[in-house]
Amino acid sequence: NAGVMQNPRHLVRRRGQEARLRCSPMKGHSHVYWYRQLPEEGLKFMVYLQKENIIDESGMPKERFSAEFPKEGPSILRIQQVVRGDSAAYFCASSPLLTETPSGANVLTFGAGSRLTVL
Amino acid sequence: AQSVAQPEDQVNVAEGNPLTVKCTYSVSGNPYLFWYVQYPNRGLQFLLKYITGDNLVKGSYGFEAEFNKSQTSFHLKKPSALVSDSALYFCAVRHYGGSQGNLIFGKGTKLSVKP
Repeated sequence: NAGVMQNPRHLVRRRGQEARLRCSPMKGHSHVYWYRQLPEEGLKFMVYLQKENIIDESGMPKERFSAEFPKEGPSILRIQQVVRGDSAAYFCASSPLLTETPSGANVLTFGAGSRLTVL
Repeated sequence: AQSVAQPEDQVNVAEGNPLTVKCTYSVSGNPYLFWYVQYPNRGLQFLLKYITGDNLVKGSYGFEAEFNKSQTSFHLKKPSALVSDSALYFCAVRHYGGSQGNLIFGKGTKLSVKP
């Protein structure tokens, strides 16, 4: 049972280019989350998606960043016109459908991350 | 503001000795608390969680954590450290009022266990 698969593992872009990061959730998981980890920092929540639906994008920068989770295929985090400050590790996590009860409080399964370097 | 603090950037322990990795939190409402571990070039792995019930929570690999409401702490502990426990440890709390999966992470504590 493969876990959360992210690709590419490493991506190098020049300023102004676009970066696309892909995430395939764990089998049976219908919820996907994206987090960003800056150097020497903890992970910061970016966005939470279900299939064809953005549930919570409260952590997404207002410009240049977008995410989708189509009916078929992986979730995509897209960064347009990258800048050096976008250099970070981007982690995807997934979870199954959970009810809003204490016993259902979510446990996230994380992928290995995609490391973006902007030159 | 809701937050998680891990006051130690690094903890050094000799193999076989007990270890403690500290975590304090500030959140509205009842906290949902988590510990994750990150090995080099790997994603985060879930260790344990506190939602409700017993204050002492047991998790993977012999780790446990104690929820202390009065001190707003959730320290991670293990009675006898192994060299293989060396990794980066993150404490997290669910963002109160946020969606599921919206966790607030601490900056992490690097645990180094020497033989």
